[in-house]
Amino acid sequence: QKEVEQNSGPLSVPEGAIASLNCTYSDRGSQSFFWYRQYSGKSPELIMSIYSNGDKEDGRFTAQLNKASQYVSLLIRDSQPSDSATYLCAVNDGGGSNYKLTFGKGTLLTVNP
Amino acid sequence: EAQVTQNPRYLITVTGKKLTVTCSQNMNHEYMSWYRQDPGLGLRQIYYSMNVEVTDKGDVPEGYKVSRKEKRNFPLILESPSPNQTSLYFCASSLLGQGRGDNYGYTFGSGTRLTVV
Repeated sequence: QKEVEQNSGPLSVPEGAIASLNCTYSDRGSQSFFWYRQYSGKSPELIMSIYSNGDKEDGRFTAQLNKASQYVSLLIRDSQPSDSATYLCAVNDGGGSNYKLTFGKGTLLTVNP
Repeated sequence: EAQVTQNPRYLITVTGKKLTVTCSQNMNHEYMSWYRQDPGLGLRQIYYSMNVEVTDKGDVPEGYKVSRKEKRNFPLILESPSPNQTSLYFCASSLLGQGRGDNYGYTFGSGTRLTVV
């Protein structure tokens, strides 16, 4: 059974701080990694994708991937109260195709004003 | 606007009464999938489809049916709903292939909150 593990949280950070969200996965063949944000009662929204080892930056968000350690993370700089949500890590089944994503259970982030 | 449209948003039904949740996407995506989301269990895949007339089971397919007669539509059918199918359901779609980029991630519908009493 392929697994994607996330700390359920809640992770609480003050406004303006850096929030660090972590994810580990079991399938060593996985090649596509995604971070989704889900507000309470709403649908998941894609924030970032990452496919290569290293960092990928998009605005206040940075995704980091380390395939050797089977670890992917999301950093949110200058956290805002509007970032308060559950963040889902998703990993594709090995083989390179993007379908059949397995999702972690998510980390609840709270940004305190 | 590119989107995945699910209907209905909310549904309360009784045990055993057949129901269909519709899903339609306007992005010409090959891949479509249904997930259910339950507290403490996260998102679990029910069924997926890689193209018209091509469907396959996900992790929790029991009690559900799907069909893919047209590329844009992927309805979820509960022939005889039971209370353990009370959940929040999401339809999702994406391009299919080995490309890279955000457009290979899933686009989700707004969700259908189903209650079976």
